[in-house]
Amino acid sequence: EAQVTQNPRYLITVTGKKLTVTCSQNMNHEYMSWYRQDPGLGLRQIYYSMNVEVTDKGDVPEGYKVSRKEKRNFPLILESPSPNQTSLYFCTSRHPNTGELFFGEGSRLTVL
Amino acid sequence: QQQVKQSPQSLIVQKGGISIINCAYENTAFDYFPWYQQFPGKGPALLIAIRPDVSEKKEGRFTISFNKSAKQFSLHIMDSQPGDSATYFCAASKRGGTGFQKLVFGTGTRLLVSP
Repeated sequence: EAQVTQNPRYLITVTGKKLTVTCSQNMNHEYMSWYRQDPGLGLRQIYYSMNVEVTDKGDVPEGYKVSRKEKRNFPLILESPSPNQTSLYFCTSRHPNTGELFFGEGSRLTVL
Repeated sequence: QQQVKQSPQSLIVQKGGISIINCAYENTAFDYFPWYQQFPGKGPALLIAIRPDVSEKKEGRFTISFNKSAKQFSLHIMDSQPGDSATYFCAASKRGGTGFQKLVFGTGTRLLVSP
């Protein structure tokens, strides 16, 4: 089954404690990205990656890092989380011909 | 230029009624307009998409209407059902020489279909 898998699904942490949200896709897609979803603000792109070793900032990159060492994996790193990063995070991969985005099931992060 | 404005923010429709969600964009270079559907606790999933060479696309009870001159597009859900209750996002992008550009999303519409 074609899917994007992200973990953890739920996480409560404290300010300043580094965390990583993992993401893996099994569709051999080159393009992957991370979005955050906040009420009233919709889906905003954090980072994207056109292919392995190539990443770039999206609309709201501050406080986040990413890496793309393998095609299938695209982890999101919060080096020093702050309460304003409390949000619902989605990892996506994109079909190269249709442009369709495939979303993971989301990771709900709470930073206290 | 990169924004997609979506309305309404929330919508309550009776079972069997028509749900209508509207979106407007500024960037005339956009040439791909998808709608995503998100159920509670799930990630969004592609529902239907349209390109600007047609004014309407229908898939079952879901129809996209596209008005290129007004730079607007809308989603119509005919015979709305309680199972349609979800959050709907419109989006826009353009396809360049190297593939699709970033997908820009609207802010979402929370639809509730009452029994």
